[in-house]
This record gives sequence, structure tokens and C-alpha cells, in this order.
Amino acid sequence: AQTVTQSQPEMSVQEAETVTLSCTYDTSESDYYLFWYKQPPSRQMILVIRQEAYKQQNATENRFSVNFQKAAKSFSLKISDSQLGDAAMYFCAYRGGQETSGSRLTFGEGTQLTVNP
Amino acid sequence: GAGVSQSPRYKVAKRGQDVALRCDPISGHVSLFWYQQALGQGPEFLTYFQNEAQLDKSGLPSDRFFAERPEGSVSTLKIQRTQQEDSAVYLCASSYPGREALAKNIQYFGAGTRLSVL
Repeated sequence: AQTVTQSQPEMSVQEAETVTLSCTYDTSESDYYLFWYKQPPSRQMILVIRQEAYKQQNATENRFSVNFQKAAKSFSLKISDSQLGDAAMYFCAYRGGQETSGSRLTFGEGTQLTVNP
Repeated sequence: GAGVSQSPRYKVAKRGQDVALRCDPISGHVSLFWYQQALGQGPEFLTYFQNEAQLDKSGLPSDRFFAERPEGSVSTLKIQRTQQEDSAVYLCASSYPGREALAKNIQYFGAGTRLSVL
């Protein structure tokens, strides 16, 4: 079974600074997808960024980028120029690449990010 | 609709009571998922529908949990004889999983129903 681990229950960052959230995962599949979701107090999960395992290039979405290390099974999220609106719980998630393995997401425990003004 | 809609937003139930939670997915989305999120934890998979077919219910914690999607659109998660350990946020997500778009298969979530069992 796949597992996702986020070892940082809480992180804080000063506004305009950069912060990195860590995520490791365990899988025997070669084809899979990784995601970072943001969950503000409203509870709605919002997709931040996704990475296909077959792509060597790290995904980037504006101020958000990932450091995907496939051999190490590591998938960290970097937030640059942090804004107050970035404060939320962040979840790392895994999905297998084959339909036979199901489309379910496996989530980590989450990292609560605080942005200080 | 514009997004995934869940109702009610909050539900308080007495232990032993039956509850029904509703999910209205994004129009045209074939796949629908239910997740359970305990306080301070990440969501955990409960069950998955493709259209009206329930293809995976391996995450349902007991036979008190039942989900249906009779017309391939709206889904209901029913919990019978609720217990205190059922207290959690129940999240619904939908996606359009066309084979050629598998790489872009993104799950869109609703705001969830917070269930409190007293």
C-alpha cells in the first residue's frame, strides 16, 4: 500500500519570505501522480500544484514550485514571496497511475502553515 | 454547478441516529469520491463511483456506512446508528477521468460536512 508522510506538523514563515514543506512517500509503482492541496479554515481542498512521476522537470505554478526527487521518493513544496493568504493546512497526496490501481488519493497528515506579517 | 456542493454544512446527531450526507458534483463529472477527515488528520478514502457504479468501497469502515449514486450524479453517504467515532468532516470530490486525460485527472473537492455525534 502507498503511504505519504509529512514530518512537519507546523511551519511558520514571515510574509514575503520563502518556505519549504516536506513530503515523502512510499510506493512500488513506477507511474503515479503527486499533488499538493491547500485547505483553509473553510475546509475546501484547493489544488496547488501537481507533478507527473514520468516528468523529470519540476512543476511550477507562479509562486509555488516543487522539488521532486523520484529516487528518494521525496516531493517538497516551495512557496516563494509568502502572502498572508497562503496560511492554511497543506496536504501532500499520491495517486497511482493505472486505472486498475484506483483513482483514490492517499493523503499525508498535513502541515499547518502560519504566515506572520 | 460551478463547484462541488455538499449539504448540510454541519450536522449534529445523537448517538444511534441515522444521518444522510449529500454531494452534488460538478456537472458532467463521471467520477465521485467520498473521504473521511478526522480532526487534525488528512482525508482518508471511503468509496468511489464511476457514474452510478460503485467501483471501490474498500474504505468504508463498517457496514453502517452506505453510499449510493443512483442516477450517476448526486450521491448520498448514509451512516446508520452513528457512533462517536464517526465524528469527522466528510469530503466529496468529483473528477472527469477520460482515458486520454488521465494525466490531468484532478479531483475537485466540496467544502465538506462536519458531523458531530454526541
